Amino acid sequence: KNEVEQSPQNLTAQEGEFITINCSYSVGISALHWLQQHPGGGIVSLFMLSSGKKKHGRLIATINIQEKHSSLHITASHPRDSAVYICAVAPYGNKLVFGAGTILRVKS
Amino acid sequence: NAGVTQTPKFRVLKTGQSMTLLCAQDMNHEYMYWYRQDPGMGLRLIHYSVGEGTTAKGEVPDGYNVSRLKKQNFLLGLESAAPSQTSVYFCASSPRTGWDYGYTFGSGTRLTVV
Repeated sequence: KNEVEQSPQNLTAQEGEFITINCSYSVGISALHWLQQHPGGGIVSLFMLSSGKKKHGRLIATINIQEKHSSLHITASHPRDSAVYICAVAPYGNKLVFGAGTILRVKS
Repeated sequence: NAGVTQTPKFRVLKTGQSMTLLCAQDMNHEYMYWYRQDPGMGLRLIHYSVGEGTTAKGEVPDGYNVSRLKKQNFLLGLESAAPSQTSVYFCASSPRTGWDYGYTFGSGTRLTVV
């Protein structure tokens, strides 16, 4: 079983919809990262969080340490949000472990 | 703009050829990493460095070598390329305390070995 599981693997949404991507992990961690990768592009760090909730524009990330679960929400989705969203966790004293990513397509 | 720069962006190699991928960062980060990204899998760590002159093996180091002679540069070498090394390679860096701080990634190198 992978240490980091993301769901769904693929997601298609209509412009304007509220989107949720989930990440579950199996180890104790000191931090969790959400990353964004556009087609053919580099990887951009969106959030790093160790508790609670963070918001940046239309993006919201939450984490529940007890349940070992994090969610990334996108409000009022737009075609430019189409990308791969990657969850990565930092186990205590160890290197990042990455999920396989969620491919998001937002249609206009 | 400050960040992580990878060269080249694309490369096609024949089996058995060698090449070096260059990663340069201008943020004075101590930690640098090389990852590979394959379809359906998460990024996997090849090698990493916690400071100038130091390197260490990651999850999938076989077939690769690295060097960090200068703090700002981290080189990834393939001595004898194999088709299994066809992948997208990403370099990243982070501040001294590493795992608990934000990472900055390069734009990737798409390598095809035929």
